[in-house]
Amino acid sequence: QKEVEQNSGPLSVPEGAIASLNCTYSDRGSQSFFWYRQYSGKSPELIMFIYSNGDKEDGRFTAQLNKASQYVSLLIRDSQPSDSATYLCAVANFNKFYFGSGTKLNVKP
Amino acid sequence: KAGVTQTPRYLIKTRGQQVTLSCSPISGHRSVSWYQQTPGQGLQFLFEYFSETQRNKGNFPGRFSGRQFSNSRSEMNVSTLELGDSALYLCASSLGTSADTQYFGPGTRLTVL
Repeated sequence: QKEVEQNSGPLSVPEGAIASLNCTYSDRGSQSFFWYRQYSGKSPELIMFIYSNGDKEDGRFTAQLNKASQYVSLLIRDSQPSDSATYLCAVANFNKFYFGSGTKLNVKP
Repeated sequence: KAGVTQTPRYLIKTRGQQVTLSCSPISGHRSVSWYQQTPGQGLQFLFEYFSETQRNKGNFPGRFSGRQFSNSRSEMNVSTLELGDSALYLCASSLGTSADTQYFGPGTRLTVL
């Protein structure tokens, strides 16, 4: 079983819609949870992180964490074509960092 | 504050050669992690260095090695290159405390012919 699981997609949404990206993790002791965005041929860039159960909002992005269900999600409101990228979920426990394989998001104009 | 830098950005080598990649972390960051990313693959963890010591290691053959210097700059070396080593090599730096954020450099694109 992989430490972090993501649906590879592609997930296609129309411009202006809400994109919902999901991630599950196996280690109940995980402490920190991250979402990165990676454009083709580029390096991952941090979108946001979350440590506590519940929601965390930053502009058009909302991260949701449910530790009981070992589930992290990222909502992108008012999706734009520029949001088209691969989204990587990452989970950290002490000094170990685990990445999912990423979900490819396509936002159609 | 300057971000993570990696040199060189692009590299072309032939099979059997060796290569050294360099990474300079964000100022104040003491941890450097290295990842390999190939088309269609996720990030594969190579190793992590903290205060000049290898703290974590992924499942890569011994041809892949690294080190970290007292100024936290890190190098990774790949010996006896194989075609399958062609990839984007990414380094990420962090403060090195428990579970804190990793910030990525732009990567080095290695092509092995």
